[in-house]
Amino acid sequence: IAGITQAPTSQILAAGRRMTLRCTQDMRHNAMYWYRQDLGLGLRLIHYSNTAGTTGKGEVPDGYSVSRANTDDFPLTLASAVPSQTSVYFCASSKTPDGGDTQYFGPGTRLTVL
Amino acid sequence: GQNIDQPTEMTATEGAIVQINCTYQTSGFNGLFWYQQHAGEAPTFLSYNVLDGLEEKGRFSSFLSRSKGYSYLLLKELQMKDSASYLCAVVDSNYQLIWGAGTKLIIKP
Repeated sequence: IAGITQAPTSQILAAGRRMTLRCTQDMRHNAMYWYRQDLGLGLRLIHYSNTAGTTGKGEVPDGYSVSRANTDDFPLTLASAVPSQTSVYFCASSKTPDGGDTQYFGPGTRLTVL
Repeated sequence: GQNIDQPTEMTATEGAIVQINCTYQTSGFNGLFWYQQHAGEAPTFLSYNVLDGLEEKGRFSSFLSRSKGYSYLLLKELQMKDSASYLCAVVDSNYQLIWGAGTKLIIKP
């Protein structure tokens, strides 16, 4: 089934631990994005990648890193998790990096940092 | 700064019509999206407006006025499955998406 998958679905993590959230798409989309969604706030962009091999910082990049070794995968790493990173994380992709291109979202990862 | 305003929550009755408003102040404008998000699920695309006017798609319509920095999503013949959050997002001058906090729509029988 075409689309975006994320893993894990949910995770409880101790503060200070390292964690990688996985994201894979099979639509051959060039652009990929990581967002966090917190109650009462809009989706906030963490990092993005316009094409394989390139990445950029979004609105809230601190404490997170990404890589884009190939077209399909875009993992997000928390080097040393803190409680303020408790959130729902969505990965998304679009055919092109043009903001006017529809973004398709994965099912999300619910992360709790204690 | 960049700002997108939507009502936090709205309630409507099954079978009725509801209008969800979105006003924006952004650095440039290159289009406006509406997404639907059911509780615990991912956002899904509803509509995209780049020119002024009304775009109709079945029971859903979206309107844009660029001069007023204003859009609305109109939902007709409401069904219980329309209970969800509706997210407004603007494409700014850098072709980045700026998201509103969303409007939670509650449908009552």
